[in-house]
Amino acid sequence: NAGVMQNPRHLVRRRGQEARLRCSPMKGHSHVYWYRQLPEEGLKFMVYLQKENIIDESGMPKERFSAEFPKEGPSILRIQQVVRGDSAAYFCASSPLDLNTGELFFGEGSRLTVL
Amino acid sequence: AQSVSQHNHHVILSEAASLELGCNYSYGGTVNLFWYVQYPGQHLQLLLKYFSGDPLVKGIKGFEAEFIKSKFSFNLRKPSVQWSDTAEYFCAVLASNSGYALNFGKGTSLLVTP
Repeated sequence: NAGVMQNPRHLVRRRGQEARLRCSPMKGHSHVYWYRQLPEEGLKFMVYLQKENIIDESGMPKERFSAEFPKEGPSILRIQQVVRGDSAAYFCASSPLDLNTGELFFGEGSRLTVL
Repeated sequence: AQSVSQHNHHVILSEAASLELGCNYSYGGTVNLFWYVQYPGQHLQLLLKYFSGDPLVKGIKGFEAEFIKSKFSFNLRKPSVQWSDTAEYFCAVLASNSGYALNFGKGTSLLVTP
């Protein structure tokens, strides 16, 4: 049973470019969460999505960041006009149910480096 | 500010030593508590969780944690560590007043030497 798949594992972008990070949840999971880990920091919640719906985006920066989880295909975290401060590891997690009843299953992360 | 604090950032132990990693949180209301572990080169995975009931929770690989509500703590313990326990350990809190955000501590890096 494949786990949470994230790609790319490593992404290098120049300032001003766009970064797209993909996440395929575990089979049967319809809840997706994105977290960001800055150097020397813990994981910070960004957004929680269910199929075609953003449920909680309280952790998303107000500008340049967006996320979607379409009916078909992976969840996408999109960062427009990247800046050096966006360099971080971005983790996706999925769960079969609301988090209040279970655990998160994490992917291995996508490491974004902005030059 | 609401937060999760892990007091030990780096811990080095010899095999067979006992382990206790501290975790304190400052969220009010009902909390669900977790410890996640990340072994070198692997993804984060759940070690144990507390939702309700017995405050002493047992997880995989001989780990346990005790929820002490009065101290806002959820410390992780293992009586005798092994070299294979070398990993990064993260405490996490899901608070009733923080929506769907699982709030993580900064992690503790554990190195177990043979």
